[in-house]
Amino acid sequence: GAGVSQSPRYKVAKRGQDVALRCDPISGHVSLFWYQQALGQGPEFLTYFQNEAQLDKSGLPSDRFFAERPEGSVSTLKIQRTQQEDSAVYLCASSLEGGRTETQYFGPGTRLLVL
Amino acid sequence: KQEVTQIPAALSVPEGENLVLNCSFTDSAIYNLQWFRQDPGKGLTSLLLIQSSQREQTSGRLNASLDKSSGRSTLYIAASQPGDSATYLCAVVRGETSGSRLTFGEGTQLTVNP
Repeated sequence: GAGVSQSPRYKVAKRGQDVALRCDPISGHVSLFWYQQALGQGPEFLTYFQNEAQLDKSGLPSDRFFAERPEGSVSTLKIQRTQQEDSAVYLCASSLEGGRTETQYFGPGTRLLVL
Repeated sequence: KQEVTQIPAALSVPEGENLVLNCSFTDSAIYNLQWFRQDPGKGLTSLLLIQSSQREQTSGRLNASLDKSSGRSTLYIAASQPGDSATYLCAVVRGETSGSRLTFGEGTQLTVNP
């Protein structure tokens, strides 16, 4: 595709609900990243995939957060039993091979509001 | 732990001014540093990427410098325009043990007034 796409763009959830956020990376990009951006803050790393393998999940804030990329393309970030502190913009990024010299291309983000 | 700080948090300038945004990082063992632009409600757009072995990169009216030993980078914007209004974020890729994950600063919100 032309760029990284994410859906939904906006999500309102009641506290305790489960949510699923989708990321479609640029076609052919091997590496995929998820970041969380709280209001007025810079993005913070959540997790990283190379193809279908989740190589780093050290940034996931709790075991309520789960990410998958079963076929090495589309990825889903799932948050179980949402809490108000989960309210943030969730950004997805992809890069061609994941090397440290590469630019990461970001999607528009999903803005999650937990009431 | 790597920490990235950006000063100032917000900046308002009249159109046409040259301006400098600052970024500092605590751990000099970085692989590269990138500057991004973020418009409201949108994702991040990469502006410039400086490898750790480089001192600066230029793209149009933008020039980014890197002083790895002192843990500092600056983004220079020449002849600012209202369309430059956005939040500017710097981010570093750390050394060998951290893969290619980005560590971001909190951003500088720039407003260029016509």
